[in-house]
Amino acid sequence: DAGVTQSPTHLIKTRGQHVTLRCSPISGHKSVSWYQQVLGQGPQFIFQYYEKEERGRGNFPDRFSARQFPNYSSELNVNALLLGDSALYLCASSNLGQGSYEQYFGPGTRLTVT
Amino acid sequence: GIQVEQSPPDLILQEGANSTLRCNFSDSVNNLQWFHQNPWGQLINLFYIPSGTKQNGRLSATTVATERYSLLYISSSQTTDSGVYFCAVGEIGTSYGKLTFGQGTILTVHP
Repeated sequence: DAGVTQSPTHLIKTRGQHVTLRCSPISGHKSVSWYQQVLGQGPQFIFQYYEKEERGRGNFPDRFSARQFPNYSSELNVNALLLGDSALYLCASSNLGQGSYEQYFGPGTRLTVT
Repeated sequence: GIQVEQSPPDLILQEGANSTLRCNFSDSVNNLQWFHQNPWGQLINLFYIPSGTKQNGRLSATTVATERYSLLYISSSQTTDSGVYFCAVGEIGTSYGKLTFGQGTILTVHP
């Protein structure tokens, strides 16, 4: 079975632009979470979506938004990019409701803002 | 929010040595996972262990939830074990899809 997939792998944007990152969860997983990892730190939670509804939000500005589609894939959108948004963006899926909260991560999208 | 502290921050070993990585957390959890992050950024699941003890080959982990810590043991280390090890927890009462990560332990294994 395929794991969590993310696209694109790498992305270079200019300050002020907008970016959309995509994630497809493991087949059968209905929960998707997004994380931001800046160099030298652990990942930080941005959003969780479950059954197409936002179920959790981290301490990120309103420039960050996300949504989940009927097939449980998800998009993370970031508006008005800042240099500080340069990071590895990770998506994780989990099969909540099956007695386990274990999360599985995708390979990430590396965003560089210049 | 919950605090997660990992120690040591850096660890340098010779191949064949054993090591213990520690993760302390400040509140009750419903999820605890250990990950190995490879040089390309991929987080590889090592253990899902909110409580108890598990073993997988040369790796084992123990979580004592009542005392709010977890340990990851690596035996007979190999150069391929090098990388960053993260502990991440899910705090009871928050989103089930939210993990809070520690700062990681950077492990370097020399041949």
